[in-house]
Amino acid sequence: SQQGEEDPQALSIQEGENATMNCSYKTSINNLQWYRQNSGRGLVHLILIRSNEREKHSGRLRVTLDTSKKSSSLLITASRAADTASYFCATESGGSYIPTFGRGTSLIVHP
Amino acid sequence: EAQVTQNPRYLITVTGKKLTVTCSQNMNHEYMSWYRQDPGLGLRQIYYSMNVEVTDKGDVPEGYKVSRKEKRNFPLILESPSPNQTSLYFCASSFSPLGTYEQYFGPGTRLTVT
Repeated sequence: SQQGEEDPQALSIQEGENATMNCSYKTSINNLQWYRQNSGRGLVHLILIRSNEREKHSGRLRVTLDTSKKSSSLLITASRAADTASYFCATESGGSYIPTFGRGTSLIVHP
Repeated sequence: EAQVTQNPRYLITVTGKKLTVTCSQNMNHEYMSWYRQDPGLGLRQIYYSMNVEVTDKGDVPEGYKVSRKEKRNFPLILESPSPNQTSLYFCASSFSPLGTYEQYFGPGTRLTVT
């Protein structure tokens, strides 16, 4: 069953702009992870945020988590053409530590 | 180099012909899983394994089998493939399912069943 849902489904921006994508989920979570997928390739882990954290940074990535709204956002600052990819959130909830993935946001960064 | 490998990367087969997609990881990970990815549906988990000889169904297990005889290997078996199993398949592993660890994904296997 899919827990997280990313929004928007697709995002097209110019190089240098910031990209923001959101993930909403339905039930309480233990943690939330963001992954990136280049076309047709395996997913690569970007960042993990635990349920008791509100914000994390990794390079140009900033992730926030609002458990009261059951949502997370991924911000990519100063985007580059190489950031073009699909981005997925994965949530783990309850007694299960098995992550459930959303359908993803497709990001295109135009040079 | 730490990695998850899958073979084959591409496979075209016919309905009913048994096939196996292999998955191997060299990180001594306990947890391994299989996903299929279809347009508009995202990633859906097929089967997972918490450790050797411990496997369980994911969200879409019908038509698939798995085994975990060794820690490093987790093959996906399609006993009688059908066209609706045409998809992109990913194997993934992580250190442990208990607690939170990132998953490492293989490069994917694109399967076409005619």
